[in-house]
Amino acid sequence: DIQMTQSPSSLPASLGDRVTITCRASQDIGNYLRWFQQKPGKSPRLMIYGATNLAAGVPSRFSGSRSGSDYSLTISSLESEDMADYYCLQSKESPYTFGAGTKLELK
Amino acid sequence: QVQLKESGPGLVQPSQTLSLTCTVSGFSLTSNSVHWVRQPPGKGLEWVGAIWSGGSTDYNSALKSRLSISRDTSKSQVFLKMNSLQTEDTAIYFCTGPSLGGYWGQGVMVTVSS
Repeated sequence: DIQMTQSPSSLPASLGDRVTITCRASQDIGNYLRWFQQKPGKSPRLMIYGATNLAAGVPSRFSGSRSGSDYSLTISSLESEDMADYYCLQSKESPYTFGAGTKLELK
Repeated sequence: QVQLKESGPGLVQPSQTLSLTCTVSGFSLTSNSVHWVRQPPGKGLEWVGAIWSGGSTDYNSALKSRLSISRDTSKSQVFLKMNSLQTEDTAIYFCTGPSLGGYWGQGVMVTVSS
C-alpha cells in the first residue's frame, strides 16, 4: 500500500499567517493527490484535486503544489474560518490512503 | 442535486455484522463510483473501500477479509457489510461520491459494544 506521511500533525498559527501543510508519498502517485478540510462535527470538504486544482467554491487563498513526491497545501493568509483539520489522500491506486491529518489552530 | 445519505444501526455487538446503506440521488451508480470512509472518535480519516461504475470493488487491505461492498442500481443504493466487528471498528462511517470527495453524506455513528 502507498503510505502518505503528513506533517505537521499540529500547526499553531495566527490570523494572516501564510501556512503550509505537506504530504510525502512512499511511491509515485503522479498528481493523484487531494486535500480535504474537516471542521468538528462535519463531513470532510474537498479543497484541492489533481494536486494543484482548486475545487469549486474554495477561496483563492488556498493552493496546492507538488515537488517530486512532496505535496503541499498552502493558505496564503489565514482566516478564522480556516481553523480545521486537513487531510491529504492519494487516489493513484487502490487501496487509497489518507495522511494522518493536520490540526490547524490559533496560536 | 447530488445527495448521499447513510443509514444503519447505531449499535452493534462485538463479533456481529455491520450493515450500512448509502442512498444516493443526483447521479447514476452505473457511471460513477461511491466510496466508504470511516473516522474513529477523535482520530483521522480511513478509506474503507469503493464500488466502481462497472460494479467492481476495492477494499482497505486491513479490512478486506471482513468487508463486502455491493449495490442495487435500481434503488440507487450502495451497501457495506463488515463482519466480526470489534470495538476498534467504532467510528463514523461516511459514503462519498461521485468519485471520492465531491459530495459526502452526513455520516452515521456506529458503536461496537455489548
